[in-house]
Amino acid sequence: DTTVKQNPRYKLARVGKPVNLICSQTMNHDTMYWYQKKPNQAPKLLLFYYDKILNREADTFEKFQSSRPNNSFCSLYIGSAGLEYSAMYLCASSSRTGGVYAEQFFGPGTRLTVL
Amino acid sequence: QEKVQQSPESLIVPEGAMSSLNCTFSNSASQSIWWYQQHPGKGPEALISIFSNGNKKEGRLTVYLNRASLHVSLHIRDSQPSDSAVYLCAVRGSSGSWQLIFGSGTQLTVMP
Repeated sequence: DTTVKQNPRYKLARVGKPVNLICSQTMNHDTMYWYQKKPNQAPKLLLFYYDKILNREADTFEKFQSSRPNNSFCSLYIGSAGLEYSAMYLCASSSRTGGVYAEQFFGPGTRLTVL
Repeated sequence: QEKVQQSPESLIVPEGAMSSLNCTFSNSASQSIWWYQQHPGKGPEALISIFSNGNKKEGRLTVYLNRASLHVSLHIRDSQPSDSAVYLCAVRGSSGSWQLIFGSGTQLTVMP
């Protein structure tokens, strides 16, 4: 089973309110990623976990938080949503066993709309 | 920061035709290059990858990589309406980098 699941699939949030997105995978992958995708733009890596080590991109460091309570689950947390956070959020996972040749498996995404 | 550019932005072909998609990247030391397919409402799914100069064929798909010209192309033979999707080119960075750098995609439409 190469399934990555994301909840919810659609999320409506008010400006200034927090948002929490959930991702799960059952492939026992050691690495989980969060990407942000806006229409007609490339998916942009926000952060990733290798085991319990969180790596955040420099330009999104203060905007997004994440937690990984166990190997299967990973969350993405926005403390105070702004209009610019409206986007599709994609979760992915991979195994470091394959090194740089390892495939990343993606979930269906959560579409976040901030009003 | 590595950059990935895809062309064309959109492509319309008749059923049975060859679809050709292009991708250029900025770092010749990139370790691996992936093509992902994304249907509406679904996440990207890896179609084919290539790691060495040359070509790779899988079914109706052929990928050509030329590191000297920083160019990779995807060709879909006998295109079908079910191939209609967004195709994303992704490059894994130079040694030590785990990040996939994506292009903005090509919207392929195959007309019956």
